[in-house]
Amino acid sequence: NAGVTQTPKFQVLKTGQSMTLQCAQDMNHEYMSWYRQDPGMGLRLIHYSVGAGITDQGEVPNGYNVSRSTTEDFPLRLLSAAPSQTSVYFCASSRSGLRGPYEQYFGPGTRLTVT
Amino acid sequence: AQSVAQPEDQVNVAEGNPLTVKCTYSVSGNPYLFWYVQYPNRGLQFLLKYITGDNLVKGSYGFEAEFNKSQTSFHLKKPSALVSDSALYFCAVRDRDRGSTLGRLYFGRGTQLTVWP
Repeated sequence: NAGVTQTPKFQVLKTGQSMTLQCAQDMNHEYMSWYRQDPGMGLRLIHYSVGAGITDQGEVPNGYNVSRSTTEDFPLRLLSAAPSQTSVYFCASSRSGLRGPYEQYFGPGTRLTVT
Repeated sequence: AQSVAQPEDQVNVAEGNPLTVKCTYSVSGNPYLFWYVQYPNRGLQFLLKYITGDNLVKGSYGFEAEFNKSQTSFHLKKPSALVSDSALYFCAVRDRDRGSTLGRLYFGRGTQLTVWP
């Protein structure tokens, strides 16, 4: 069981470039989410998905797109990178059920720098 | 609105002493409450959670947390701190009742725990 995996671990982009952060889980979890972590800000939810084909916005969705074509994968796309998107990005997954008390499992993170 | 507050950015404690990391929350309904730990350059790891019932919850690595409904608090505790407990700790809350935000996990800003030898 690999759990939640993320690639790449590090990335440097120039302003205006686009890229996709990959996230995959092998636990058959229906709920997946993307967070960004900035110093002193905790974790902020970007987008989440409650199952294949279903996504929704979190607190800070602007500048990011997601899709969920399979249960396993939940890529995050940066459309046109900006310095304000410099952050550490975490993908997480949990068992299904919006009402369930299920903890989330986190990937190791992607450290993104936009110059 | 749902929110989580960790009033201390930093907690310092000597090894062997008890530790407490504080968390208060604001949720309109009944919450699920969680504690996570983050070691340097790693993702978050789940420590423990409160669902219902006993107000004292036991978790991984000897940590426990006390749920206090009247004070809307969920403080993390450990009777005897270890140097290896030094890490960033996050409290999180999940609303189990509110329709528009069901399933979302709201995090505090984190508390850096340092245990010195």
